[in-house]
Amino acid sequence: GESVGLHLPTLSVQEGDNSIINCAYSNSASDYFIWYKQESGKGPQFIIDIRSNMDKRQGQRVTVLLNKTVKHLSLQIAATQPGDSAVYFCAEKTDKLIFGTGTRLQVFP
Amino acid sequence: KAGVTQTPRYLIKTRGQQVTLSCSPISGHRSVSWYQQTPGQGLQFLFEYFSETQRNKGNFPGRFSGRQFSNSRSEMNVSTLELGDSALYLCASSPPGASEKLFFGSGTQLSVL
Repeated sequence: GESVGLHLPTLSVQEGDNSIINCAYSNSASDYFIWYKQESGKGPQFIIDIRSNMDKRQGQRVTVLLNKTVKHLSLQIAATQPGDSAVYFCAEKTDKLIFGTGTRLQVFP
Repeated sequence: KAGVTQTPRYLIKTRGQQVTLSCSPISGHRSVSWYQQTPGQGLQFLFEYFSETQRNKGNFPGRFSGRQFSNSRSEMNVSTLELGDSALYLCASSPPGASEKLFFGSGTQLSVL
């Protein structure tokens, strides 16, 4: 199968700090990118998306940055909360969505 | 609005058997996609259906098949199960005009013994 960013690293942050989750994508022709959050026992949940004609997009407490030059995507979570603990996936779209293997975010008090 | 519903939630099969998983999309969504999720490979795209037609297909063997019905409900079938087919199978539906925005169900956890 196909995949983006083959590692599943873990990011541990203290509650209230900002989190930055990184993702490298493979296809320079990808024109759309999405971040998903997956909590234990649930399916992935849409967080935020960005099109390739943008380099930054902000949501509620989340910001996605896109650097097409180095094919890099990041998700920034402001004031991280315990409820943010989950696995985060980036996904790129060409003719279909291709997901990375994810990053586990652990929030400790 | 009800979310994507997948049944069954858990399934245990033995090698060589076949299995059928079911997915009911969000009302009004006509596109349904299936993904296989394993710890080592992450989310791997299986196929996408729209209006009862397979629109896209991932790199899985022919043992994996699917279909979509006129009410947009979808099923996927895996024949001649192998141990490596043990995974969480996720179904997602997309709203009209936004096929890339996937709304996932909670998945069917398949264990092959």
